[in-house]
Amino acid sequence: RKEVEQDPGPFNVPEGATVAFNCTYSNSASQSFFWYRQDCRKEPKLLMSVYSSGNEDGRFTAQLNRASQYISLLIRDSKLSDSATYLCAVNFGNEKLTFGTGTRLTIIP
Amino acid sequence: NAGVTQTPKFQVLKTGQSMTLQCAQDMNHEYMSWYRQDPGMGLRLIHYSVGAGITDQGEVPNGYNVSRSTTEDFPLRLLSAAPSQTSVYFCASRTGANVLTFGAGSRLTVL
Repeated sequence: RKEVEQDPGPFNVPEGATVAFNCTYSNSASQSFFWYRQDCRKEPKLLMSVYSSGNEDGRFTAQLNRASQYISLLIRDSKLSDSATYLCAVNFGNEKLTFGTGTRLTIIP
Repeated sequence: NAGVTQTPKFQVLKTGQSMTLQCAQDMNHEYMSWYRQDPGMGLRLIHYSVGAGITDQGEVPNGYNVSRSTTEDFPLRLLSAAPSQTSVYFCASRTGANVLTFGAGSRLTVL
């Protein structure tokens, strides 16, 4: 089993809809969690960190469920510009950040 | 602010050739790392460094060497390229907060 797993998608969602992704991790000792966004043929860029109590940044909400060992990303009122691949990343308490394979999202006009 | 700079952006090699991917950052980050990204495999850590003179292996280190003589630079060397090393390579650096800043990537094709 991979340490960090994501549904690769693709998710094809109409503009204005709400979409949510989950990311599961295998190590209960995981310490920090992130969502990155990667546009086609570009580098990943940090979208948001994920805090234990959940956090929101505009239309984006990230949550952590330690009991079930997953993090989630919710995008409300989706825009065409949200089309990208979303990568989750987990730090297992060492110097390494482990990434999921990414979930591809396409927003349809 | 240049951030993380990788060169070259594109490279084609023949099997058995050697080359070095360059990575430089101007943010005074102690931590630097190299990932490769392949379809369906995601980003996989090759090597990382927590400071000048210190390097360690990641998930897929075989076939790659690194060194860290300065805080700014972290080159990745392919000693004898193989087709399995065809990939997109990303260099990344971070502060202590675990938030990585990536370079624009280097696309390598090994024939």
